[in-house]
Amino acid sequence: EAGVAQSPRYKIIEKRQSVAFWCNPISGHATLYWYQQILGQGPKLLIQFQNNGVVDDSQLPKDRFSAERLKGVDSTLKIQPAKLEDSAVYLCASSRTDNEQFFGPGTRLTVL
Amino acid sequence: SQKIEQNSEALNIQEGKTATLTCNYTNYSPAYLQWYRQDPGRGPVFLLLIRENEKEKRKERLKVTFDTTLKQSLFHITASQPADSATYLCALPNSGGYQKVTFGTGTKLQVIP
Repeated sequence: EAGVAQSPRYKIIEKRQSVAFWCNPISGHATLYWYQQILGQGPKLLIQFQNNGVVDDSQLPKDRFSAERLKGVDSTLKIQPAKLEDSAVYLCASSRTDNEQFFGPGTRLTVL
Repeated sequence: SQKIEQNSEALNIQEGKTATLTCNYTNYSPAYLQWYRQDPGRGPVFLLLIRENEKEKRKERLKVTFDTTLKQSLFHITASQPADSATYLCALPNSGGYQKVTFGTGTKLQVIP
């Protein structure tokens, strides 16, 4: 089966600009996650979707970050405006109900 | 949420030896614990899940133990190979459930030929 797809793989922007990331989960996976991973740290959950509903967004900086999952399949994560501290790898993952998460390759964001 | 501690210092071992990585947690006892492998520039890859009623689980050269009294999991790689060099992350579910997990910071393993 095809894995989790993410694009772009790399993005460089100036602070205060906006950026969007796209994720296509594994077919049939109802749960989709967005994580932020800062260098040297473990992934930190930003938002979790079950189908197209939000299950948890308690760690999402809602003043600048937003995410949606239309039709319960693809998802986009947006940052507007970006700050220097948003420089990180943004990982998308999906799962069925058996707790194993499948991760995409991530998008490396650099904010200058 | 859980506080998870993994050795932040890199672990260097000789090829052929057994690597042992530690994951300690505080707060409540989780129903299960997961281990993932992450290579540079890639997303984590799931390796093993061990449940609270399982003391030990094996998969090929991998062995995971789960001691709910010590609040600790040990991850062993026997007969280590240079290809095992990577960062290993443990992950535990949050008390809120619904498949949400918290990841540790990971331990970088370097297997020296």
